Amino acid sequence: KAGVTQTPRYLIKTRGQQVTLSCSPISGHRSVSWYQQTPGQGLQFLFEYFSETQRNKGNFPGRFSGRQFSNSRSEMNVSTLELGDSALYLCASSKTGGAGANVLTFGAGSRLTVL
Amino acid sequence: GQQLNQSPQSMFIQEGEDVSMNCTSSSIFNTWLWYKQDPGEGPVLLIALYKAGELTSNGRLTAQFGITRKDSFLNISASIPSDVGIYFCAGRVDNQGGKLIFGQGTELSVKP
Repeated sequence: KAGVTQTPRYLIKTRGQQVTLSCSPISGHRSVSWYQQTPGQGLQFLFEYFSETQRNKGNFPGRFSGRQFSNSRSEMNVSTLELGDSALYLCASSKTGGAGANVLTFGAGSRLTVL
Repeated sequence: GQQLNQSPQSMFIQEGEDVSMNCTSSSIFNTWLWYKQDPGEGPVLLIALYKAGELTSNGRLTAQFGITRKDSFLNISASIPSDVGIYFCAGRVDNQGGKLIFGQGTELSVKP
C-alpha cells in the first residue's frame, strides 16, 4: 500500500514569490491535514481538508491556503513568501471512520527554503 | 492556546538503558499519540492512546494516557542504536479530526 506522497521534496524560492505543494494521500483516506515544522516553533497545524472542504484551520495568515480535489489529493499554496516561511511542510492523511480512524499517517514532507 | 510541554528536550544514553519521556498540558485531550521522526522523514506513529488510564505497549515501547487526561508518558526499554531520533507527543480534542497539538520533541541519542 503506497504511503502519503508529497511533491516536490525540496524547493528554493525567493521572497515575494509563491509556492504550491502537492500531497497524494493513502488510497481510501479522505482527510488530509497540513503541518509546518520549524526548529523554533516545532510542528504546527495549518489546516485539514475533508470531502473538498476545509474542516479545521490553524493560526496562520491568509497567505497560507489549501484545497482538496475530488480524488482526495490536496495542494497547499503560500503566497508572497517571507524568509520565515522556510520550513518542512508535512502532509498527513487519515481515514474518517472504522478501525484506525483519525490516525494520521505523514508523508516525508516538502522542504521549502526562502532566500 | 493549547500547548504541550514535553521533557526532556534531549537524552544521551547507553545502549541497553531504559528511557522515559513525558508530556503535560494545561488542557484536556481525548487522544494522546506518540510519534518518532527520523532525519529527512515525516513522523511515524508509535502508539495511540484513547482512554484515560490506558496503558499500551508496542514491542519495547510502553505509553500511558494520564488519568487526568492532561499528561502522557512514553517508556522505551533496553534501547538500541536504531531508537535514535526525535520523539513527539501529540494530543487531540475529539472533534478536531486532523488537528493535533504537538510537543516540542525529545531528541534521543544512543551510544553503542
